[in-house]
Amino acid sequence: SQQGEEDPQALSIQEGENATMNCSYKTSINNLQWYRQNSGRGLVHLILIRSNEREKHSGRLRVTLDTSKKSSSLLITASRAADTASYFCATDGYYGNKLVFGAGTILRVKS
Amino acid sequence: GAGVSQTPSNKVTEKGKYVELRCDPISGHTALYWYRQSLGQGPEFLIYFQGTGAADDSGLPNDRFFAVRPEGSVSTLKIQRTERGDSAMYLCASSLIGGLNTEAFFGQGTRLTVV
Repeated sequence: SQQGEEDPQALSIQEGENATMNCSYKTSINNLQWYRQNSGRGLVHLILIRSNEREKHSGRLRVTLDTSKKSSSLLITASRAADTASYFCATDGYYGNKLVFGAGTILRVKS
Repeated sequence: GAGVSQTPSNKVTEKGKYVELRCDPISGHTALYWYRQSLGQGPEFLIYFQGTGAADDSGLPNDRFFAVRPEGSVSTLKIQRTERGDSAMYLCASSLIGGLNTEAFFGQGTRLTVV
């Protein structure tokens, strides 16, 4: 079963604009991670945020976490055509030892 | 190796046949995960190994699916009597330690097509 739900399902923006994707989950967590997937192949880890953190930055990425609402957001600033990909959030579940993924957001950045 | 390696990258098999999918994790990573991904969906957990043992196999859909990791490194996912519904991308990931406060490194996947 999939715990996370991302929205929107698809997002199309112009190069240079910011892209925001949201993720909601159901159970308590230790951490939440965001991954990127190009062309349906392997996933690449972007950022991990722990349950006691509220915000984290990595380059053009900004992730927020609101454990009271069981939600997270991923912001990509100054988007580039190369950012075109699917983005997934994944949670570990409080007692789990496995990553549980959402269905993902398909991001298309037009140049 | 430099990353997680999965072979073959593509596999086409006939319904009812047996297939094996291989995963070479990053050297030294004790944790290894198998996921299955259908088109337009997120990866779905199948099984997690810590060392040689399957710590969690709750995601295996039925007894046609089995995975091994006999020496704590390479893992093989085995599917018996394949069905068309088994067609999907099969992803393997490894991480340095068990538990998920560290990132998982994914291979490029094996795309299985059952005809």
